[in-house]
Amino acid sequence: DIQMTQSPSSVSASVGDRVTITCRASQGISSWLAWYQQKPGKAPKLLIYAASSLQSGVPSRFSGSGSGTDFTLTISSLQPEDFATYYCQQANSFPPWTFGQGTKVEIK
Amino acid sequence: QVQLVESGGGVVQPGRSLRVSCAASGFTFSNYGMHWVRQAPGKGLEWVAVMWDAGSNKYYADPVKGRFTISRDKSKNTLYLQMNSLRAEDTAVYYCVRSRDYDSSGHSAFDIWGQGTMVTVSS
Repeated sequence: DIQMTQSPSSVSASVGDRVTITCRASQGISSWLAWYQQKPGKAPKLLIYAASSLQSGVPSRFSGSGSGTDFTLTISSLQPEDFATYYCQQANSFPPWTFGQGTKVEIK
Repeated sequence: QVQLVESGGGVVQPGRSLRVSCAASGFTFSNYGMHWVRQAPGKGLEWVAVMWDAGSNKYYADPVKGRFTISRDKSKNTLYLQMNSLRAEDTAVYYCVRSRDYDSSGHSAFDIWGQGTMVTVSS
């Protein structure tokens, strides 16, 4: 199985800050990586698919990049509604589909 | 609008069975692969099972293999997860998830999620 490792596990940031989250796969996954946002008590929401494609309706301040084993999710200017936990997921070699452990973005 | 609504969660004793359901609406259910993903309290996301649109291929995560069965009723636009021999470690919110495929090899993303149903395994 492919292991997904996110860093950091948590980050404290202020409104307007640029935030970058990293995800590393244990083996190459081409560009088949997705990012999800989850708010407390809610279901996850798809933000980015195929490493860099923005899901319909997702604000353009979210962007994704990377290929192979190293990927990043960037929030260019953090907004109050962006405080949440973010998960990466590989969709190259399956089953199983595997997720990172999550990165919590907290208010500084 | 496109929607997935889970039901059937609850408290069940270890070793017993439970079936959770997911009612789909707003899209052609038979055209999509469907997954179950779970999340234990305070933990991350764990993929559980998938059933492709044709219904012929099903796959399971190792921790549930042999105990859980995924199925779908196309006439009712409903996905099911039959959970047998439940254990304390199966306690989680269970999400029904639609798979959006981006090519013929099955590369996909989980684009629509239900609100989840809580399953608690406890004596």
